Amino acid sequence: EVQLVESGGGVVRPGGSLRLSCAASGFTFDDYGMSWVRQAPGKGLEWVSGINWNGGSTGYADSVKGRFTISRDNAKNSLYLQMNSLRAEDTALYHCARGGYSSGWYWFDPWGQGTLVTVSS
Amino acid sequence: SYVLTQPPSVSVAPGQTARITCGGNNIGSKSVHWYQQKPGQAPVLVVYDDSDRPSGIPERFSGSNSGNTATLTISRVEAGDEADYYCQVWDSSSEMSVFGTGTKVTVL
Repeated sequence: EVQLVESGGGVVRPGGSLRLSCAASGFTFDDYGMSWVRQAPGKGLEWVSGINWNGGSTGYADSVKGRFTISRDNAKNSLYLQMNSLRAEDTALYHCARGGYSSGWYWFDPWGQGTLVTVSS
Repeated sequence: SYVLTQPPSVSVAPGQTARITCGGNNIGSKSVHWYQQKPGQAPVLVVYDDSDRPSGIPERFSGSNSGNTATLTISRVEAGDEADYYCQVWDSSSEMSVFGTGTKVTVL
């Protein structure tokens, strides 16, 4: 069974940092691009960042560019999101998702249940 | 940046057909993907590449895409189809994924 499990969320003050992790299982991790998608409370879905199969290509939403860094460790079947200079508007449930950043595979399937990030003083 | 517009809500009686639109400039030239999200759950892919269904998704879910509008059609609607639905495309010009504004489907 394909499974994605996020961790690392929590409460952080504005300007602070947090590192999210996503543990993947049930598929050949380095065959796929991976992505982070977030959902603010009561709001819609927002793509945050994507990375190709070997980490050689990455992309970011304008809202996080220069503050967030996506990376992966294929030996550990893991995806990461380093979030710096956090703002109140970054408060959201962050989902890890397979796909979304590979030629010919621009959809997200499946999704993890998400990890909640709250930015508040 | 590329914008996808969906109606905020669609209401449909059980057994009838629900159509959810996703509007974007020349969206017919892009591949559109659709997700279903029930309260408290992660989104689930229901249609990819305009009209293909992942394994396990009922044939009642179908998609089309032409011109400036893509459409997700749910036939023979059931109570369990009540959820939020989002369209999504890859915008190659900005190299970003874009989601639609979302549509809440209510089964009367």
